[in-house]
Amino acid sequence: DGGITQSPKYLFRKEGQNVTLSCEQNLNHDAMYWYRQDPGQGLRLIYYSQIVNDFQKGDIAEGYSVSREKKESFPLTVTSAQKNPTAFYLCASSISQGTSGYTFGSGTRLTVV
Amino acid sequence: DAKTTQPPSMDCAEGRAANLPCNHSTISGNEYVYWYRQIHSQGPQYIIHGLKNNETNEMASLIITEDRKSSTLILPHATLRDTAVYYCIVRVAGWYTGTASKLTFGTGTRLQVTL
Repeated sequence: DGGITQSPKYLFRKEGQNVTLSCEQNLNHDAMYWYRQDPGQGLRLIYYSQIVNDFQKGDIAEGYSVSREKKESFPLTVTSAQKNPTAFYLCASSISQGTSGYTFGSGTRLTVV
Repeated sequence: DAKTTQPPSMDCAEGRAANLPCNHSTISGNEYVYWYRQIHSQGPQYIIHGLKNNETNEMASLIITEDRKSSTLILPHATLRDTAVYYCIVRVAGWYTGTASKLTFGTGTRLQVTL
């Protein structure tokens, strides 16, 4: 079945370390997105990519980096520059044109210890 | 993208219809209304979307007012598994811009379905 896979589901990181969250999709979608969600809050856009080798900053890109070397993959690196990285991270994908909605992964919960 | 306003929470008895309102008074002519829901600690799930006509699928119905300034998501027979946060979002369709457009999530409506 097609879908989006995020791994790992839970991740613990020591303060000051970089960590990379994986997002893979087999839906043949052009566009991919990363969102962050804090407790009781809505989703905030970190980065998005419309095609391979291209990506744009979202609303809260500081302290994060991404790459899009393959259509299927859009990894997110949480750097040590991110001052409050503990959150629930969600990856999504969509086709670029048309009106179809997003497909979301099941998320990665990152905790900085 | 236009801003949306939703009540923070609602209750519904199991088996009854759940009617979730959304105001989007600044919606533009090329913006669609989308509904997603998020069950605790999971990724959001797409429910339905529409432009100006009422829409229905196996999950829900979407009623959009004639002036398009508000809409209502209807879950016809709510079950306990429908307990979730429901997000109403307006978004320009990709074919107007030629590119993927972002979804901007608010805080949504927390629907609690009870016995």
